[in-house]
Amino acid sequence: NAGVTQTPKFQVLKTGQSMTLQCAQDMNHNSMYWYRQDPGMGLRLIYYSASEGTTDKGEVPNGYNVSRLNKREFSLRLESAAPSQTSVYFCASSEAVYTIYFGEGSWLTVV
Amino acid sequence: GQQVMQIPQYQHVQEGEDFTTYCNSSTTLSNIQWYKQRPGGHPVFLIQLVKSGEVKKQKRLTFQFGEAKKNSSLHITATQTTDVGTYFCGAYNFNKFYFGSGTKLNVKP
Repeated sequence: NAGVTQTPKFQVLKTGQSMTLQCAQDMNHNSMYWYRQDPGMGLRLIYYSASEGTTDKGEVPNGYNVSRLNKREFSLRLESAAPSQTSVYFCASSEAVYTIYFGEGSWLTVV
Repeated sequence: GQQVMQIPQYQHVQEGEDFTTYCNSSTTLSNIQWYKQRPGGHPVFLIQLVKSGEVKKQKRLTFQFGEAKKNSSLHITATQTTDVGTYFCGAYNFNKFYFGSGTKLNVKP
């Protein structure tokens, strides 16, 4: 079982560049999430999607856009990367208000 | 978002000592979940508590949900080096899941 798959695993960007983090889940979950994790800050919710075609802001949405392309895929886009966006990004999925399953994480460095 | 406060931020223990982390919310929670994240890894679900005053055990781990459903704790008895990692509580608020800041546990052999 693949579960939640996110790519790339590592990425270095220059300030101002754009990139998209891809995420796909094969558990037929309706809910999908993007979190960022910074030292001492825990996991902060960037965006959430309750179902295909719907998205909602989380705690720290500024500087990010998302697309729920279909039930399986939920992508996170940085239009103009900034050093403050250096972080570890986790995609996750769940069915309703139950267990959340995480991807392996994407380590992003913006220089 | 959901304000779930977690303490302590760090805990260093000698192998064999006990460990406890606490989560507190200013509002009543419908349920609370606990996750463990190993160094370099991703969070992995441990347990969900739903009922007021609920206590659940998983081997050396004991999870409690307060009577008012505003606080929760995770207690590890006789820690082992395999317990190293960060423990997060979290809760749903309007279908969005918010995490506490986590407690990083280090166990010295």
